[in-house]
Amino acid sequence: QQQVKQSPQSLIVQKGGISIINCAYENTAFDYFPWYQQFPGKGPALLIAIRPDVSEKKEGRFTISFNKSAKQFSLHIMDSQPGDSATYFCAALDSNYQLIWGAGTKLIIKP
Amino acid sequence: DTAVSQTPKYLVTQMGNDKSIKCEQNLGHDTMYWYKQDSKKFLKIMFSYNNKELIINETVPNRFSPKSPDKAHLNLHINSLELGDSAVYFCASSAQLGGTEAFFGQGTRLTVV
Repeated sequence: QQQVKQSPQSLIVQKGGISIINCAYENTAFDYFPWYQQFPGKGPALLIAIRPDVSEKKEGRFTISFNKSAKQFSLHIMDSQPGDSATYFCAALDSNYQLIWGAGTKLIIKP
Repeated sequence: DTAVSQTPKYLVTQMGNDKSIKCEQNLGHDTMYWYKQDSKKFLKIMFSYNNKELIINETVPNRFSPKSPDKAHLNLHINSLELGDSAVYFCASSAQLGGTEAFFGQGTRLTVV
């Protein structure tokens, strides 16, 4: 129940395309769902986050879609750019205030 | 002005040695964490401290001992290093326990030979 399952493990997208990364969870007590972006040699950094009372949140080219009934959420990157190439992690905050992390998705944007 | 800084950035050492990694945050946060990231990029929380008090201690060998001398510092000491300890270790902080944003340091790449 504490898992967050993330897919795909890796993703290659052409420049200008849409990148989509999916996550699924089981624990309905999770109440905060962030996405982190990690560049090589750096620590993860918060990209965008959502709470389960909304179905979508958009910040620039990045959008989180949230489906509470299906217990799924996804990150969409519109007009993907080579500078978006990074590892992306979804996560969920549990009732003990602990972040439960997905396994990560390595995204490569081809010029 | 780095928000979460950890030293050293790279650490190469022999099996059986004892080593420490230092972490400092200048954000005024109450909560600090240590994470381990393996070669497959999987992030695993090791410890969580809130106001210098240990909150979370995941299943981590007792060779790993965190120490928080004050709210701004959380150091990690590792005894009797093993090959399997090779990984990148990240320190992080958040404003409070369950804070909506965790700020990570740049990581310490530990290689045990």
